[in-house]
Amino acid sequence: GAGVSQTPSNKVTEKGKYVELRCDPISGHTALYWYRQSLGQGPEFLIYFQGTGAADDSGLPNDRFFAVRPEGSVSTLKIQRTERGDSAVYLCASSLTMNTEAFFGQGTRLTVV
Amino acid sequence: GNSVTQMEGPVTLSEEAFLTINCTYTATGYPSLFWYVQYPGEGLQLLLKATKADDKGSNKGFEATYRKETTSFHLEKGSVQVSDSAVYFCARRPQGGSEKLVFGKGTKLTVNP
Repeated sequence: GAGVSQTPSNKVTEKGKYVELRCDPISGHTALYWYRQSLGQGPEFLIYFQGTGAADDSGLPNDRFFAVRPEGSVSTLKIQRTERGDSAVYLCASSLTMNTEAFFGQGTRLTVV
Repeated sequence: GNSVTQMEGPVTLSEEAFLTINCTYTATGYPSLFWYVQYPGEGLQLLLKATKADDKGSNKGFEATYRKETTSFHLEKGSVQVSDSAVYFCARRPQGGSEKLVFGKGTKLTVNP
């Protein structure tokens, strides 16, 4: 596709359940980022991939959060034992390489009830 | 710490009014500075950027100048249009190494005809 695609666009889950959020970056982009945006706040960095490896995962809030990018393209953000405080819009972005413009997807709105 | 502070909204203006959205940052060294815009129903888009002191970023009639002495990157536009209605985010990226963006909380702008 032409832009960064995130699926699903909306996800409602029950507290304690496991969820996976998917990001399809722009073709050929080697760098991929996950951010989380809570209501009324700016996006907060979670993790950054360069290729298949997580170059910086310092923003992951705890060990319930994990992300993978096994083939250096699609990435999945995984959240275990979801809590109501995990409710937010999860944003994915990709860039051609390091230090170039990041293009954002429209996000996945996660609601934990 | 390293943070970005931008003026709180919402901001409501009439068409053709002058716009200023203030942004200040704290960081070591010389971070790169950005303004992102989020139009209703769309993903975050890069509006403009500046990578070193005294640089001026500009796009779509918007401008911002990197002021090292005041650690500021205020967004300005001389004559706003209804189509400029959006949420604007100031962001910084540390000098060298890290790829992660640190965002402000966002400022919602509404321009009335």
